[in-house]
Amino acid sequence: DAGVTQSPTHLIKTRGQQVTLRCSPKSGHDTVSWYQQALGQGPQFIFQYYEEEERQRGNFPDRFSGHQFPNYSSELNVNALLLGDSALYLCASSLEAGGRTEAFFGQGTRLTVV
Amino acid sequence: GQSLEQPSEVTAVEGAIVQINCTYQTSGFYGLSWYQQHDGGAPTFLSYNALDGLEETGRFSSFLSRSDSYGYLLLQELQMKDSASYFCAVRGGDNTDKLIFGTGTRLQVFP
Repeated sequence: DAGVTQSPTHLIKTRGQQVTLRCSPKSGHDTVSWYQQALGQGPQFIFQYYEEEERQRGNFPDRFSGHQFPNYSSELNVNALLLGDSALYLCASSLEAGGRTEAFFGQGTRLTVV
Repeated sequence: GQSLEQPSEVTAVEGAIVQINCTYQTSGFYGLSWYQQHDGGAPTFLSYNALDGLEETGRFSSFLSRSDSYGYLLLQELQMKDSASYFCAVRGGDNTDKLIFGTGTRLQVFP
């Protein structure tokens, strides 16, 4: 059983560019959340997708957007990249009806903006 | 605002017991989770407390006191592989699985 998979694992982008990160949830999971983790910090919630809609959003600007597909996979898009967007981007999946006790995280995408 | 406070670093020797504390201040509360993260790795779920008391899972135990907005993770029979960062996280009081993470505690286990 594959866990949460994210791609790419590492990415280097130039300031002002746009980036798309991808996530496939754990088999059987229908909810995907995205987190940003700066070095030495805890993950910060960006947004969550369920039934192909954004259900909840953290304190992130509109430059951060996402999408969920019918197969539950998800994308995170960041426009007009800033140096401060450099971080580890984590995807977590869970099951809406699963009692919400556990979220499974992917290995993350390390984004470096230069 | 919402915040979770943890010690930044804890050190211990193999075989010892260590306790990592977490105090939280959140607008809603649906349970306290603990995650382990090795350098370069994904956070992995360790335990979850929705109600007051102690939850035991092998060498790891977690405690919650909702009246004190306090919890801790207890790691017993420490092994070198337990060296990692440990995060407490509160599930927000809304209709999502949003997790609010603490700043993390870096545990170093020495031989």
